[in-house]
Amino acid sequence: GAVVSQHPSRVICKSGTSVKIECRSLDFQATTMFWYRQFPKQSLMLMATSNEGSKATYEQGVEKDKFLINHASLTLSTLTVTSAHPEDSSFYICSADRDYGYTFGSGTRLTVV
Amino acid sequence: QQQVKQSPQSLIVQKGGISIINCAYENTAFDYFPWYQQFPGKGPALLIAIRPDVSEKKEGRFTISFNKSAKQFSLHIMDSQPGDSATYFCAASKRGGYQKVTFGTGTKLQVIP
Repeated sequence: GAVVSQHPSRVICKSGTSVKIECRSLDFQATTMFWYRQFPKQSLMLMATSNEGSKATYEQGVEKDKFLINHASLTLSTLTVTSAHPEDSSFYICSADRDYGYTFGSGTRLTVV
Repeated sequence: QQQVKQSPQSLIVQKGGISIINCAYENTAFDYFPWYQQFPGKGPALLIAIRPDVSEKKEGRFTISFNKSAKQFSLHIMDSQPGDSATYFCAASKRGGYQKVTFGTGTKLQVIP
């Protein structure tokens, strides 16, 4: 079946640094990928829609300069959290659409200290 | 218009029992209703999905019941097992590919021996 690989699974970074999270579709081409943020015991909050070869579409309230999204190929989308602060600590998850079957990555636990 | 309401927030069921989670939506343009299962520290995994042209879909121990007129759908887990203990999210999206998925708030299921 469709597999989305997300790396790293866990990252700890110092406040003020940037962190890049990768999302790859392993056995299919993903023109569109979605990035979510999930706080403990809460639902998934869509941050942005990543489109191959074009600018990402951000949801209202999401800082596009803080959460940089690049979708340079049909199999790779990256989310860079710039100048990370403790409040950016969260669980980030990507997903790709596969004929109505959205497949999710395994998520990245970001801790900013 | 984009909300998907989910209940209960948490559920404890004895092994062998039936787990029932309910969802309601508002936007009649939604035409794809998936359920996702999420284990701690992992991304959601597609469990089962239904389209509004059918009233029920069964896959193994998992059944979706869909009531289009009431704009409600539910997940039934028959013969619940401790391994089913996870958080379950209902969701909805529109036809057309690459559409955003609107998630319910989640139900934490605990199946006790």
